[in-house]
Amino acid sequence: GAGVSQSPRYKVAKRGQDVALRCDPISGHVSLFWYQQALGQGPEFLTYFQNEAQLDKSGLPSDRFFAERPEGSVSTLKIQRTQQEDSAVYLCASSLERVGRQQSNQPQHFGDGTRLSIL
Amino acid sequence: DQQVKQNSPSLSVQEGRISILNCDYTNSMFDYFLWYKKYPAEGPTFLISISSIKDKNEDGRFTVFLNKSAKHLSLHIVPSQPGDSAVYFCATPLSSGNTPLVFGKGTRLSVIA
Repeated sequence: GAGVSQSPRYKVAKRGQDVALRCDPISGHVSLFWYQQALGQGPEFLTYFQNEAQLDKSGLPSDRFFAERPEGSVSTLKIQRTQQEDSAVYLCASSLERVGRQQSNQPQHFGDGTRLSIL
Repeated sequence: DQQVKQNSPSLSVQEGRISILNCDYTNSMFDYFLWYKKYPAEGPTFLISISSIKDKNEDGRFTVFLNKSAKHLSLHIVPSQPGDSAVYFCATPLSSGNTPLVFGKGTRLSVIA
């Protein structure tokens, strides 16, 4: 497809289970971003990649969160030993521009997110 | 740290009238701002942006105004249409260049027919 694709769209897990969320960016997009959006809030940055390199993971809430993009395309966000506070919508965005390049008319394009519910 | 604040959680406007959504920011180092629109169960969609070299940017019914001295920007939609009903987020880069965005909490716009 032409846009950012995320799967699954909805995920329900029991507390303590591990989950994996997938993001397929727009083909050719160099930069990939993960955000977490809690109810009633704006998206909050988690981590981002330029190609396969993870440039910043300072937004990850704990060491239970792990993200990878091994071939510089598809990315996976993994959450181990899930807790109820992990319940949120996880958004992935991609951008044509390299990180640090001057802002241009190449904004971040978002997928529809994965809604994660931890019971 | 760069922060953006949208102090109005909701706004209701009649169809055909002007909608004005506001956003304030705290750090003027990176004067580049974006507006995203979000429908329920969908991801945010880029709407319009503005950089510090301008104080206004217009795209069809959407105009964004930037007041650097007041650290304030606003999005004007005129005329408003029922399909504009959505949550609108203002955002700005964490740092210079193509970096993660910092978002406001959003304003829910309802356009009433």
